[in-house]
Amino acid sequence: SQQGEEDPQALSIQEGENATMNCSYKTSINNLQWYRQNSGRGLVHLILIRSNEREKHSGRLRVTLDTSKKSSSLLITASRAADTASYFCATFMIKAAGNKLTFGGGTRVLVKP
Amino acid sequence: DVKVTQSSRYLVKRTGEKVFLECVQDMDHENMFWYRQDPGLGLRLIYFSYDVKMKEKGDIPEGYSVSREKKERFSLILESASTNQTSMYLCASSHRGWYNEQFFGPGTRLTVL
Repeated sequence: SQQGEEDPQALSIQEGENATMNCSYKTSINNLQWYRQNSGRGLVHLILIRSNEREKHSGRLRVTLDTSKKSSSLLITASRAADTASYFCATFMIKAAGNKLTFGGGTRVLVKP
Repeated sequence: DVKVTQSSRYLVKRTGEKVFLECVQDMDHENMFWYRQDPGLGLRLIYFSYDVKMKEKGDIPEGYSVSREKKERFSLILESASTNQTSMYLCASSHRGWYNEQFFGPGTRLTVL
């Protein structure tokens, strides 16, 4: 099973509304990252939050991390049609076998104009 | 502007063919990764490499091999393509380091008939 599980799987909102999506994970992490993927394209890194941080902002993005609940949330404020994309959380763990990211299944966000 | 390029956006091959997917990055990154992306399964790591001529198995290496002869280039090889390898293949790279933010290529959509 995947380390990160996003919820909801899909989200439809009107332009100007806020979009919130959640990510839960199972094991201890070093950091958690959020990526965006526009349809049929590669992923783009949005924001990284370290395990000792609780909240981080970047423009209209706000990410929270609760390591006690092993969960994170991504909030997009004042959404725009251009925010229509899939959003993935990815957990980063340092392991003896090598450092790697483990991605969740993603949340598909549709912003209607 | 950082760039990860992949040799083809779309590829159609026949069962049993040998398939090469090429990935090139111009950021002097030490780490390179190959993922496949399937609906409902998110991104799954196939292989990764920390240095030239080094490779490590990811979560789903069966049916694939890789080659990294130069730092900027990481190739994914399907020795004998099968229909269950029809997928979107994404290459990524990152600096060696704690954060491991990854930069992705645009993806190759491979169809095996």
